[in-house]
Amino acid sequence: DTEVTQTPKHLVMGMTNKKSLKCEQHMGHRAMYWYKQKAKKPPELMFVYSYEKLSINESVPSRFSPECPNSSLLNLHLHALQPEDSALYLCASSLRDRGSTEAFFGQGTRLTVV
Amino acid sequence: QKEVEQDPGPLSVPEGAIVSLNCTYSNSAFQYFMWYRQYSRKGPELLMYTYSSGNKEDGRFTAQVDKSSKYISLFIRDSQPSDSATYLCAMKGYGQNFVFGPGTRLSVLP
Repeated sequence: DTEVTQTPKHLVMGMTNKKSLKCEQHMGHRAMYWYKQKAKKPPELMFVYSYEKLSINESVPSRFSPECPNSSLLNLHLHALQPEDSALYLCASSLRDRGSTEAFFGQGTRLTVV
Repeated sequence: QKEVEQDPGPLSVPEGAIVSLNCTYSNSAFQYFMWYRQYSRKGPELLMYTYSSGNKEDGRFTAQVDKSSKYISLFIRDSQPSDSATYLCAMKGYGQNFVFGPGTRLSVLP
């Protein structure tokens, strides 16, 4: 099983709303990632969690707040977003963040901020 | 110079053709190389993973890595309309983040 599950698949939120994106994997992977992808662009790294600890934050605005409750779950809390934050948000996981390991992606959450 | 270069296409081929997709890179520390297929509005799907130089074959797909030239390729044999997608190369070195190419849009015409 190489599945990374993301919910919800689609989300429309106002600029004053608070919402959360969820990601789950049961492959025993200890590195989990959030990426943002705009149309016709490659994924851009936002956050990396390694062994449930935040190891990389790519200068992401504080209106995005990641959380890793356990080794299988990853959340992205959203608050006071802007219309330009509309994008496909992808979760990925890999066995570990260092060394020989490929990353598996979820199907993404398509976020629209109105 | 970008760290990973990839022709964005679009690349249009007739059904049954052999497709060649390529990426070049500048970071000699990259050791792990991946190809992803991404359908419109979906997440990237891992197709091939290769460590260091060499070839790897899986069904209709062959991945090649030439570290001396800093060049990787994905070949698709007997291409099908269902292969129409964006193909992303990705690579990383030990202790480094994944770096993606911009992707090549492929259309296989029936």
